[in-house]
Amino acid sequence: EIVLTQSPGTLSLSPGERATLSCRASQSVSSSYLAWYQQKPGQAPRLLIYGASSRATGIPDRFSGSGSGTDFTLTISRLEPEDFAVYYCQQYGSSFGPGTKVDIK
Amino acid sequence: EVQLVESGGGLVQPGGSLRLSCAASGFTFSSYWMSWVRQAPGKGLEWVANIKQDGSEKYYVDSVKGRFTISRDNAKNSLYLQMNSLRAEDTAVYYCARDVDTAMLDYWGQGTLVTVSS
Repeated sequence: EIVLTQSPGTLSLSPGERATLSCRASQSVSSSYLAWYQQKPGQAPRLLIYGASSRATGIPDRFSGSGSGTDFTLTISRLEPEDFAVYYCQQYGSSFGPGTKVDIK
Repeated sequence: EVQLVESGGGLVQPGGSLRLSCAASGFTFSSYWMSWVRQAPGKGLEWVANIKQDGSEKYYVDSVKGRFTISRDNAKNSLYLQMNSLRAEDTAVYYCARDVDTAMLDYWGQGTLVTVSS
């Protein structure tokens, strides 16, 4: 079973700053099945990135994904107030990573 | 507009059963895999089960195998999760999600809360 770890657990940043979130797999995974989701309190998760680097419909271009093998990254180029949330990676067929909370510094 | 609406959650005693439903609209339901994902209070996401377009393939997380059954009715555009032998650790919000080629979950419902407690 592939285990995903995410770091950091919490990222405290200010609006306008760049956020870099990491997702690491316990063994090499197919980039085709690596996705990122955003979840705000009291809301359902929302798909941000699929196939490691493709933005889902309607997702702003400040969100980007990269990586391959065991290391993947979600980058938010300039944080907007609405971006403060929890972010999960998922390798389809395995469970989700534990999440990274991006909160306001 | 794609819509997924879950129902059927509630309070149930340990060892009891519950059936969740998910009503889909705004897309051709029979063309997509579908999944259930849950989230325990204050915790992260856990994929629970998924089902192929025609119901011929079903997969489950180990912790629910033998207790939960996923099914669908394409004529009714509905997804189901039959949950038996419920445990306290099954307490969670249960989301249904549209599953694209088993690669991503692109639309989610708002979830239904299941509480297992005596």
